[in-house]
Formats: sequence, structure tokens, C-alpha cells
Amino acid sequence: NAGVTQTPKFRILKIGQSMTLQCTQDMNHNYMYWYRQDPGMGLKLIYYSVGAGITDKGEVPNGYNVSRSTTEDFPLRLELAAPSQTSVYFCASSSSPGTGSTEAFFGQGTRLTVV
Amino acid sequence: AQSVTQLDSQVPVFEEAPVELRCNYSSSVSVYLFWYVQYPNQGLQLLLKYLSGSTLVESINGFEAEFNKSQTSFHLRKPSVHISDTAEYFCAVSEGIQGAQKLVFGQGTRLTINP
Repeated sequence: NAGVTQTPKFRILKIGQSMTLQCTQDMNHNYMYWYRQDPGMGLKLIYYSVGAGITDKGEVPNGYNVSRSTTEDFPLRLELAAPSQTSVYFCASSSSPGTGSTEAFFGQGTRLTVV
Repeated sequence: AQSVTQLDSQVPVFEEAPVELRCNYSSSVSVYLFWYVQYPNQGLQLLLKYLSGSTLVESINGFEAEFNKSQTSFHLRKPSVHISDTAEYFCAVSEGIQGAQKLVFGQGTRLTINP
């Protein structure tokens, strides 16, 4: 059972370049999330989605875009990379029958460096 | 909005010693609390969670946490740690947004076990 799969695992970008971080899950979860993890800061929510075609901003959305065309996939796009976007990015998914009570499953992370 | 404070950024202990990792959260009418563990170069895994009922919750590998509503705390404890417990531990609280499990994380506590 693959769970949540993120690609790539590592990437170095130059300032101003763009890239897409891929995330796919095989658990048929409706809810998906992107977090970034900075040292000493915990994880911050960038964007989330409650189903195909529905996305919304989290706590730190500036500089990022997302789309959700299928239940399985939730890519995160950086249009103009900046050094402040150097971070570890985690995708997660969950199946929520109610409000806020269900475990989130995380991918292995993508370590992004912008130089 | 909810917030989570982990009072210790690093906790070094000797193998087989007891450990407590502290977590405080901002109060809310209803709250769901989680501890996640992140082993080196891996994603986050759920360690244990409090949803309702008994205030003492346990994990399969000997950790336990106690929900204390009056002190708004959810400290994590283990009576005897092993080298394999070396990891970063994150306390999180759940906010329900559109039924999604939006997790608010603490800053993390790095647990280092010395032989």
C-alpha cells in the first residue's frame, strides 16, 4: 500500500524558476493538504482541498498555486521561486467523516532549495 | 485561531531513562489533539491522538499522553526510552474547516537518546 507519494524527493532551483511538486494518494481520501516545514517552526499549511475541483488557502499561500483535477492528485506549483521558499514540503491526505477527528497521512517530503 | 506551544526544542536523555515532552494549546470549546513523530529523513507518522473519552491515551510503542483540559496541556511521556525513539516529535491540534482536518502544529521537540 503506497499511501501518499511525493516527487521529487530533492530539488535545487534557481531564483525565478518554476516547478511543480507532485503528490498522489491511493487511499481514496477526499481531503488533501500541503504543508511546509521550516527549522524550529513546525509545519505550516499552504493550501488544502476537500475534493476534486475544490481548493482553498491555508496559513501561508503566497507564492504557491494548487489544482485538484482528480481525487488522487494534488500538485503544488511554484511560479517564481524565491529563497524564502527553501523548505521541506509535505503533502498529506485524510478521510474525514466529521470535523477534525481523523488521522492525516503524510508523504516522505520534498526538500527544496532555492539559490 | 488555535495555537500550539511545545516548551522544549531539544530534549537529550539517556537510554532507559523516562522522558516527558511538553505541549500546551490554546483553549477551544472542542479540541482534538495529536502527537506525530518524524524519524530522520522521513515523513510524519501518527503516534497517538485524543478525540474524546479517557484523558489518557497510549501508543503501541510505550508512549502515552494525558489530556488536561484545565491546564490546556497534552504532554507526551515514556517511562523508559530506547535509542530507536530518537526523532522529532510534533504536537498538533485540529481545526475543522469545511470538514477538513486542518492541523496546527507546534514547533517540534527533538528527542535525542544517548547510550
